[in-house]
Amino acid sequence: GQQLNQSPQSMFIQEGEDVSMNCTSSSIFNTWLWYKQDPGEGPVLLIALYKAGELTSNGRLTAQFGTTRKDSFLNISASIPSDVGIYFCAGRGGTSYGKLTFGQGTILTVHP
Amino acid sequence: GAGVSQSPSNKVTEKGKDVELRCDPISGHTALYWYRQSLGQGLEFLIYFQGNSAPDKSGLPSDRFSAERTGGSVSTLTIQRTQQEDSAVYLCASSLSIASTDTQYFGPGTRLTVL
Repeated sequence: GQQLNQSPQSMFIQEGEDVSMNCTSSSIFNTWLWYKQDPGEGPVLLIALYKAGELTSNGRLTAQFGTTRKDSFLNISASIPSDVGIYFCAGRGGTSYGKLTFGQGTILTVHP
Repeated sequence: GAGVSQSPSNKVTEKGKDVELRCDPISGHTALYWYRQSLGQGLEFLIYFQGNSAPDKSGLPSDRFSAERTGGSVSTLTIQRTQQEDSAVYLCASSLSIASTDTQYFGPGTRLTVL
């Protein structure tokens, strides 16, 4: 089945630093999504990407849909303490159109 | 408006017992999804419902797992004869449809612990 490899697994950074995380897939996706999950809550959508090569920003967040449709990255600029949480990539496509395939997550810790 | 709600928020059960988990989707959303999140892992797709179409059950791990959606709204995920490996957070999501541009909104999850 489809699998997503997300890296890094965890990051410890200082407030104000930039962050980058990425996902690679063994197969093609039609949509790439980035979610953030806070403790005790469900994931919340940050950015959605629908076209190969697409680069999209949402405030301090920037994400790109890789040209091969098998990878995506998320950058967070000038991190702040509330950026702490778990970030997940997710891909959509293939024969089961509705389901999302998730990466393992990146745990982000920001030191003030 | 109200988001996706799930109940109970926590469930502790003994091995071998049956459990039912409930999901109330956002009003008007025709698509409803169930995912499972084991400790320190990403979300694993279980099943989704879209309108009156047959559900996609391709992610259910065994025949002990089943789900239904009554009246196109509330959904119940049932796990029979629970095992310790069933311990996880079960997340429900809903979206307007299964179109790729329709965001899946997640509920807070039900944390299931099987002793």
